[in-house]
Amino acid sequence: DGGITQSPKYLFRKEGQNVTLSCEQNLNHDAMYWYRQDPGQGLRLIYYSQIVNDFQKGDIAEGYSVSREKKESFPLTVTSAQKNPTAFYLCASSVGSRELFFGEGSRLTVL
Amino acid sequence: AQKVTQAQTEISVVEKEDVTLDCVYETRDTTYYLFWYKQPPSGELVFLIRRNSFDEQNEISGRYSWNFQKSTSSFNFTITASQVVDSAVYFCALSVVSKADSWGKFQFGAGTQVVVTP
Repeated sequence: DGGITQSPKYLFRKEGQNVTLSCEQNLNHDAMYWYRQDPGQGLRLIYYSQIVNDFQKGDIAEGYSVSREKKESFPLTVTSAQKNPTAFYLCASSVGSRELFFGEGSRLTVL
Repeated sequence: AQKVTQAQTEISVVEKEDVTLDCVYETRDTTYYLFWYKQPPSGELVFLIRRNSFDEQNEISGRYSWNFQKSTSSFNFTITASQVVDSAVYFCALSVVSKADSWGKFQFGAGTQVVVTP
C-alpha cells in the first residue's frame, strides 16, 4: 500500500534535547511538507521540499531543521531552540498543487 | 495572498440531522484547487474531495455533498443524516496552481469541529 509513514507516533522530550521525527513516503511524490498543529488550531507550515537536496522555510521554521537526502525521506528535527515544541506534527506529500497526502502524525510532548 | 475562512468553530447536531460547513476563500489566481479534509480524533487528515476552479458542478458522494460557487467564493460541505462517526474536525483548503513551482502552496482554514451526539 502506498502512503506516508511517520514515526514515532508519540514522543516525549526533556527540555534542551533535540528530537528527530521521521517521515517516509512511497508515493513517488516530489514535494514533501511538515506542518505543526496546536490544540484547537489549524495547520501551520514549518518546512517544505520540492525536490531532493532542496528545502525551503515555511511560516514557522525557527527552531526546526530538515534534510532531504532521498526522495522518500524528509525528517524533521525539533531543536532546543524551539521554545514551545509541544504539538502535533504532520508530514505530507503532494504532486504539485494537487491534494496533500498526510501521515498519521507524531505527537511531541516536552516534559 | 490566499486566505481560507471557516467561520464556524464548532457545530453540534443530533444524529440524523444535516450539517453544513461553510468555507469562503480568497485568491487572485484564476487557476486553483479547493479541498476538504476530515481529521478524526486519531489525528490523521483524510482527504475528502478536490475541485478545480473551472469545475463548478456540485458533487455528491454518499451522505456528503459539496456546493462550489465562484460568484461568492464559497465551497460549502454538507453531511446529510449525520452519524456519530462523522464527529471530527473538518478543514477546507486552497492551493494555487503555479506554473513555476513543482510544489503546492496550500492554505488551510482554521477548521470546524463537528460533534454528532446519539
